[in-house]
Amino acid sequence: EDQVTQSPEALRLQEGESSSLNCSYTVSGLRGLFWYRQDPGKGPEFLFTLYSAGEEKEKERLKATLTKKESFLHITAPKPEDSATYLCAVQEGGDYKLSFGAGTTVTVRA
Amino acid sequence: NAGVTQTPKFQVLKTGQSMTLQCAQDMNHEYMSWYRQDPGMGLRLIHYSVGAGITDQGEVPNGYNVSRSTTEDFPLRLLSAAPSQTSVYFCASSSNGLSRYRETQYFGPGTRLLVL
Repeated sequence: EDQVTQSPEALRLQEGESSSLNCSYTVSGLRGLFWYRQDPGKGPEFLFTLYSAGEEKEKERLKATLTKKESFLHITAPKPEDSATYLCAVQEGGDYKLSFGAGTTVTVRA
Repeated sequence: NAGVTQTPKFQVLKTGQSMTLQCAQDMNHEYMSWYRQDPGMGLRLIHYSVGAGITDQGEVPNGYNVSRSTTEDFPLRLLSAAPSQTSVYFCASSSNGLSRYRETQYFGPGTRLLVL
């Protein structure tokens, strides 16, 4: 059973059209939830870590929120440079390991 | 700091050949790991290490070996390559520690492997 599910798989936006990405998880004892950005042909780049329900973090046009069962990555007034694949990962209990979702590919058209 | 470096960037192998994917980090991180990334499946953990001399298996370890003789290096060995190992391989590292706000994992640029 998948621990981390991301939706939608792909998202096409017009520049300035705000939207949200979803990451739902089923692990018990969440230690941390991570968001990464990945550009084509490159390694994942760290964006945020969320640790407890109700927590929110922001970076430029991105805002990540966390509940007990899911996390949202909100993209406000996106620009073409926000086009990328966004990955969600969870860390459970006392484990170092990360379990990743399959990602959401965001394309922002000018 | 160079961060996490990986070599080679791209490799083509024939079935049955062996090779080693190199990973190095200059951040004095204790924790290092190897992932493979396949379309539609996300990143899957192959092996990881919590310090020099200590390694353990991840989600998909079969067909891969690792060792950790130094803090800086964590090579991944394919002993007999198979077409199913065609993938993009990423190495990652982070500082060790069980504190809640420990550092996140930093990823290398990846190695693209094609097994014919």
